[in-house]
Formats: sequence, C-alpha cells, structure tokens
Amino acid sequence: DAGVTQSPTHLIKTRGQHVTLRCSPISGHKSVSWYQQVLGQGPQFIFQYYEKEERGRGNFPDRFSARQFPNYSSELNVNALLLGDSALYLCASSLEHKARDTQYFGPGTRLTVL
Amino acid sequence: AQKVTQAQTEISVVEKEDVTLDCVYETRDTTYYLFWYKQPPSGELVFLIRRNSFDEQNEISGRYSWNFQKSTSSFNFTITASQVVDSAVYFCALSEAQEYSGGGADGLTFGKGTHLIIQP
Repeated sequence: DAGVTQSPTHLIKTRGQHVTLRCSPISGHKSVSWYQQVLGQGPQFIFQYYEKEERGRGNFPDRFSARQFPNYSSELNVNALLLGDSALYLCASSLEHKARDTQYFGPGTRLTVL
Repeated sequence: AQKVTQAQTEISVVEKEDVTLDCVYETRDTTYYLFWYKQPPSGELVFLIRRNSFDEQNEISGRYSWNFQKSTSSFNFTITASQVVDSAVYFCALSEAQEYSGGGADGLTFGKGTHLIIQP
C-alpha cells in the first residue's frame, strides 16, 4: 500500500506570495495533520483535520489555513509568505484523530521563501 | 502544557557500540501516548514505537529497546550494537488524550531531536 504522499517536493517562493501544499493520506486513514519543521528543530503542529473538520490547531497565525476533501486528502495554504516560513512542511495521516492513533508521515515539502 | 525534552543534541559513537537516547516529558494528563520517530537525511519521519501511559513494560524489537519510567517521566531509547544505517535524527513525541474531546488530541509535541552519528 502507498504511504502518505505530498506535493510538490520542493518549492521556491518570494515574500508576499502565497503557497498551496497538498497531501494524500494512507488508504483508510481519515485524519490528516500538518507540521512545520524549521532547520534543527522538531516538527511543530499546525492543524489536524478529521472527516473534513478542523479538530486541532497549533499556535500559528491566520495566514495559515487548511482544508480536507471528501477523499480525505488535504491542502495547506500559507498567505503573505515571510522569510521565516521557510521550512519542511510535513503531512501525517492517522486512522482517526485520537491521541492513541499513530501518525504516519509523508516525505515533506521543502519550502524556501526568498 | 505538554513538553518534551531531548537534552542530547548530538551523539557520536563508533559502530557496534550501544547508545541510549534520552527523552523526558511533562504532562498534566493521566492518559497520554509517547512515540519515537527516526528522521534520516531524506527527511521523512519514520515511526518506531508508541507507548501509552498505562503500559510501563519495556519493549525490545531486534536491536532497539525502550525503557518507559513514569516515576521519572522518561522514555529512553537504546540501540544495541549500533550500525552506520542507524545514523539519523531521532525524535521523541508526546500526545495527550483530551477527555473533553473524547480522547482527541491536539497534535504531537516533539522534542528538538538527537542527531545520532554512527562512525564506521
């Protein structure tokens, strides 16, 4: 079975632009979470979606938004990009949104903001 | 608020040595889950193990073993007879079961990671 897939792999944007990152979960998983990982740090939680509803949100500004589609895939949008948004964006899928559910991660999208 | 501390930023050992990666956590919940992930240079986080707060049994999987001690809020990871392929960044993570949301979570809280270098 395919794992979590993310697109694109790499992205270069300039300050002020917006970006859309995409994620497809493992088949059968209904929850998708997004994380931001800056160099040298652990991933930071951004959002969790389950059954198309937002179930959790981390401490990120409103420039960050996401949604989940009927097929459980998800998009992360970031508006008005800042240099500090440069990071590896990781998507994770899990069966449900419970704390006990193991999250399986995709390969990530590396975003560079110039 | 939950917190995970991995005090060892980088560890370097020679192949075949045993190595232990430390993880200390803070939580006010009685129900929580602890995880270890491996991040090789490719960047993808690979799940290694999950432990719930009610199960303090140590676990062994091949050359990997985990020691969970609630009394010291620690969940340490040992690699026996390390190999070059074990070189990676290892993350410890915590997930709290929020009773008001039916056991839902608010994402994983990760430590800063330990960069493990295994030299041939």
